[in-house]
Amino acid sequence: LAKTTQPISMDSYEGQEVNITCSHNNIATNDYITWYQQFPSQGPRFIIQGYKTKVTNEVASLFIPADRKSSTLSLPRVSLSDTAVYYCLVGPEGGYTGRRALTFGSGTRLQVQP
Amino acid sequence: NAGVTQTPKFQVLKTGQSMTLQCAQDMNHNSMYWYRQDPGMGLRLIYYSASEGTTDKGEVPNGYNVSRLNKREFSLRLESAAPSQTSVYFCASSVKETQYFGPGTRLLVL
Repeated sequence: LAKTTQPISMDSYEGQEVNITCSHNNIATNDYITWYQQFPSQGPRFIIQGYKTKVTNEVASLFIPADRKSSTLSLPRVSLSDTAVYYCLVGPEGGYTGRRALTFGSGTRLQVQP
Repeated sequence: NAGVTQTPKFQVLKTGQSMTLQCAQDMNHNSMYWYRQDPGMGLRLIYYSASEGTTDKGEVPNGYNVSRLNKREFSLRLESAAPSQTSVYFCASSVKETQYFGPGTRLLVL
């Protein structure tokens, strides 16, 4: 399963755009890229998912270059409530095939300050 | 819809005791998962169930057993709890690549 690498932590201020990049050099042809957000004492929450190019929803945008070896989660105009841990996951459709499990890693801790 | 529900929310056990963590989902998903999350760490997969009647080991299955009772319910059992199993346990269900998580069960083993 493709391993992902993310920055351990990031700091930002309210109103700024935040970009979190994830490296996944060994991504497989049928792998999707999914980002989750986790607040303290809660389970992770799905943010956005993509396969290639750009995906946008009401919460974030996901940019995936042509080689798909990395991806960037973009959070526009962050607020204090965006302070959380963000996980990048790479895996096949269905999430699990045999012993290949979705691996969360340690994620990126985003701290938004006033 | 309640989504994914877990019981109990919090539990304290003594070493050697057994317990079952319950998980249910009302989204008609085929796939369900059990993860554990230690402080400051990411989630690690304990067991996975692709459908009713099937289960597979994940990254850290030792010391745990699971039962996929029906499509809705997926339980995790600790037969003889150890302090190393102190953690927060999350259950999830999924459709395609998207997983939906429960609120978690905080387990303390003394």
